[in-house]
This record gives sequence, structure tokens and C-alpha cells, in this order.
Amino acid sequence: SQQGEEDPQALSIQEGENATMNCSYKTSINNLQWYRQNSGRGLVHLILIRSNEREKHSGRLRVTLDTSKKSSSLLITASRAADTASYFCATNQGAQKLVFGQGTRLTINP
Amino acid sequence: EAGVAQSPRYKIIEKRQSVAFWCNPISGHATLYWYQQILGQGPKLLIQFQNNGVVDDSQLPKDRFSAERLKGVDSTLKIQPAKLEDSAVYLCATRGRSYEQYFGPGTRLTVT
Repeated sequence: SQQGEEDPQALSIQEGENATMNCSYKTSINNLQWYRQNSGRGLVHLILIRSNEREKHSGRLRVTLDTSKKSSSLLITASRAADTASYFCATNQGAQKLVFGQGTRLTINP
Repeated sequence: EAGVAQSPRYKIIEKRQSVAFWCNPISGHATLYWYQQILGQGPKLLIQFQNNGVVDDSQLPKDRFSAERLKGVDSTLKIQPAKLEDSAVYLCATRGRSYEQYFGPGTRLTVT
């Protein structure tokens, strides 16, 4: 069963704008990870945030985690055409098993 | 370092036929996963190996799917017999000491 639910399912923005995707989950987690998938490079790990962290940055990526609301957000700043992809949140509930959400399809328009 | 290798990349079979997928993990990665990704959905875990032992196969349809990991390195996933609803991308992923998983390019299976 899918644990995470991403919102929105699809997002289309202009190049240079910021993109925000949200993820909600149902059970306690050890960490939450975000992955990107495009046709060229397959599924690639972007960033991990642990359950005791509230915010994390990596380049143009910013991830927040609110364990009380069981939700996370991924912000991509100054978007580029190459950011066009599907983005998935994945929750780690222990035993190093990831449960993926349905994903957000992001399109960056030139 | 070399990534996760999978073959074949594409496979088209008729229903009730059998098919096998192969995965070669990143060297030294003890944990190996097989996922099924249906179009428009996120990956769903089928089976998790730690070295050559099964950790979790709770979502593997064992009446038709089987998997093994030889000597804790390469792994094969087999479907016999295939059904139309098995059409999907089958992803292999491996994990070393960190929490992140490294995915192969996947095998796109079409069952007609």
C-alpha cells in the first residue's frame, strides 16, 4: 500500500519560479526521503530528512518535516527546464524499507 | 562507482508466458530491493534481500512471482505465468551503509 500522498499530482510552472510539493503520510517514520524520476536518469535520491529534523537544505532544494502533522514539503527554488520530472516522497518506517507515494509530476515551461 | 545494472531494458510477452529479470547491484551493497512501478504510480516494494536472505516479501505475489539472490550479489526476479496486470516497470535498487537507495534503469514489461 502507498504510505505517502503527494500534492499536487501535477504542477506546471515557468522557468525561474519556485516549485513546492507536499507529502503526507500515516505512520511513524525514521526518516523521509525525496526522489526524482525522469526518463533519462531513472529514479535518483535527492535528499533525506530524519524524524528529529525540521528543515534541510541541499543546493536549490529545501525540505521541511512536521512529524506532528505527518507531512513534508519539498521546495525547488529558481526552477530550470532540467527539473522537469516526477518527484516522490518515500517514508522509512524501519527495517530500511521505503514506502513511496504516488508522486508529483513537475513541468517547467521555458 | 558503477551503478545498478538491470537487463533486459524492455520485454514484451504474451499472458501466461514466463519472464525473468536480472539485477547486478553496486559492489558491496548488502541490501537489494525489487520494486514494481505501474504507470502513473510510485514504486511498490516486492521483495527485500539482506545479502542472500529475504527480509521482506510480504507484497510479493508468491503464486506467480519468485526471486533469488545468488551468493548475495546478483538477483533475478521471475514471473510465471504472467498476467496482463503485471505490465509495469520493474526496478532493482540497492543500499549500502547509508539510508539512500540506488536504483537501476528498470525493465519495462508489457504483457499482451
